[in-house]
Amino acid sequence: GQQVMQIPQYQHVQEGEDFTTYCNSSTTLSNIQWYKQRPGGHPVFLIQLVKSGEVKKQKRLTFQFGEAKKNSSLHITATQTTDVGTYFCAGGYDYKLSFGAGTTVTVRA
Amino acid sequence: KAGVTQTPRYLIKTRGQQVTLSCSPISGHRSVSWYQQTPGQGLQFLFEYFSETQRNKGNFPGRFSGRQFSNSRSEMNVSTLELGDSALYLCASSWTGASNQPQHFGDGTRLSIL
Repeated sequence: GQQVMQIPQYQHVQEGEDFTTYCNSSTTLSNIQWYKQRPGGHPVFLIQLVKSGEVKKQKRLTFQFGEAKKNSSLHITATQTTDVGTYFCAGGYDYKLSFGAGTTVTVRA
Repeated sequence: KAGVTQTPRYLIKTRGQQVTLSCSPISGHRSVSWYQQTPGQGLQFLFEYFSETQRNKGNFPGRFSGRQFSNSRSEMNVSTLELGDSALYLCASSWTGASNQPQHFGDGTRLSIL
């Protein structure tokens, strides 16, 4: 089974609002990656976090790695229709990468 | 630089048949991983190949197998197809498969079992 749990599974957001998706692991991770899959497309790498407590930003997207390196979050501010898709986190441990089930985001205009 | 290429894009089979899917990684990438994606199940890891050797394997039955060639191209085979095998099969490549390297995904092969 999956080692990385991701919540929520679905996120319905009003355009302009903020939302956060969370990723949790039962084991300490060496790193965490985030991917985005647009409808009908394939997952595309967004970013990687390696250090405890690390925070990285990409325009309206803020990624955070927990202090214990067991959880991570993706926060999107002022959601736009271009943010539609499924966001996956992937935790690295034991030289493997384990993907979460993803958060599928829909946006109401 | 060409991306990851998967063929065919679409495939329709019937129960009991077998199927072979192909994946050509990005030039220079030696690690190829295969995933099964179904609605609500995320990306289920099938296996990973590096230098023609299966290095990691997920929790799938023995009907799912794969191999990698000396040029790093990989194939995945599914025998005795079942209705539940209907899914999008994604291939991803990276330089060495280390967990801190980004995975580059192909467009996938959508397999439908009738």
